[in-house]
Order: sequence, then C-alpha cells, then structure tokens
Amino acid sequence: GAVVSQHPSRVICKSGTSVKIECRSLDFQATTMFWYRQFPKKSLMLMATSNEGSKATYEQGVEKDKFLINHASLTLSTLTVTSAHPEDSSFYICSASDSNQPQHFGDGTRLSIL
Amino acid sequence: QKEVEQDPGPLSVPEGAIVSLNCTYSNSAFQYFMWYRQYSRKGPELLMYTYSSGNKEDGRFTAQVDKSSKYISLFIRDSQPSDSATYLCAMSGGSGGSNYKLTFGKGTLLTVNP
Repeated sequence: GAVVSQHPSRVICKSGTSVKIECRSLDFQATTMFWYRQFPKKSLMLMATSNEGSKATYEQGVEKDKFLINHASLTLSTLTVTSAHPEDSSFYICSASDSNQPQHFGDGTRLSIL
Repeated sequence: QKEVEQDPGPLSVPEGAIVSLNCTYSNSAFQYFMWYRQYSRKGPELLMYTYSSGNKEDGRFTAQVDKSSKYISLFIRDSQPSDSATYLCAMSGGSGGSNYKLTFGKGTLLTVNP
C-alpha cells in the first residue's frame, strides 16, 4: 500500500518552457502533498506543502510565481515550473501523506533545461 | 548545531555484514522517526517508521529510538548488495498532515560488496 506515482520521470526542454509534473497517490487519499528539490549528493530540500483545496505554503526562498502548485483533489497534485531556466534543472520529488501515515515518496522527476 | 546529524559516509561493507546507521538530533519535540532508503535517481522508499522510544523489527531491519539520548539507529542484518543505497533518517513532531514536516539527515551512502 501507500503508492505514490510521479510523472514524467525525465524531462528535457528548452529554456523559457513551462513544465508540469504530476504526483498521484494511487491507493490512499492524500490530504497533504509535499514538493522537494534534491541536488546531487544532497538531502531533500522542502519547497512547499499543499493541502487539498488550499493554496500551497512555500518555504522561505522559494518563488511561488516560479513554482506553481495545485492540489485540486485528494489524489493529485501538480508542480509547474514556469519559464524554466538552466538553474531550475534539478531532481524534483513529491510525497504524500494522510493524517495517519508518514510521507510516501514518488520516484522523482529529473528536469534538464537546455 | 544542525537539528539532525547523520554521518554521510561513505560506508563500505562485505556481503553478510551487520550494518549500523545512526542519527542524532537536538529537537526534543520530535516524536516520529523514519528511515528511508534511496537508490540512485529514485525517490526515497520508507523502510521503518517508529513512534517515540523503543525498537521495531521488520525482516532484516531493526530500528531503535532512544529519546533520552536523542539518538536513533537502523541495523541491517545479513546485508546484501541490493542494500547498496543512500539511507536517510527523518523525523517529525507528528504523524501525517501539513503541520508535521520532515527534518532529514544528510543521508549515509552504503555499499555492500559481494
């Protein structure tokens, strides 16, 4: 149980493009979803927390206009990287939890901006 | 002092060895303790989830929490090459929900040699 699916797993696109990443909880209702960014050989850095039907709460230093998060249902959250630039290249990982479970993570999306 | 300290390794052991991974923490509000395994280019996978002090065993894995010493451990018995991964400790003040963000250690890179 507690499967989180993240799609796509890999994106390569040109600078200036907007990229949408989906995160789905497949077998439980995720009241809360989290978005992380991970740099090579580093731990996870929390970007934002989203509750279903509410606006996301962003961590300090994360641009909310650059990283748009939507959590419209209990099984789906999306992260859109708007007007992406090479410095946005990274490994983005989502996680999901309900009120009783610990966070379960997706397999991540490797984003490369050329 | 960082909230969670974890030796990044790398740690290299022969197949069949007992592996001990540890984290220390400073925030006495932490109540829930987790160990995640992360393979290269994948999202973290939940291995163990414990509440408060005590031991928990699951197959070859044993998690220990000593809240009085603010110290947690993960033991891997009969280690296998497939256990080669980065192990992340994580902790929070509560289970699930947006109020309970995870605080991660930096991760320990483990290699089990055949």
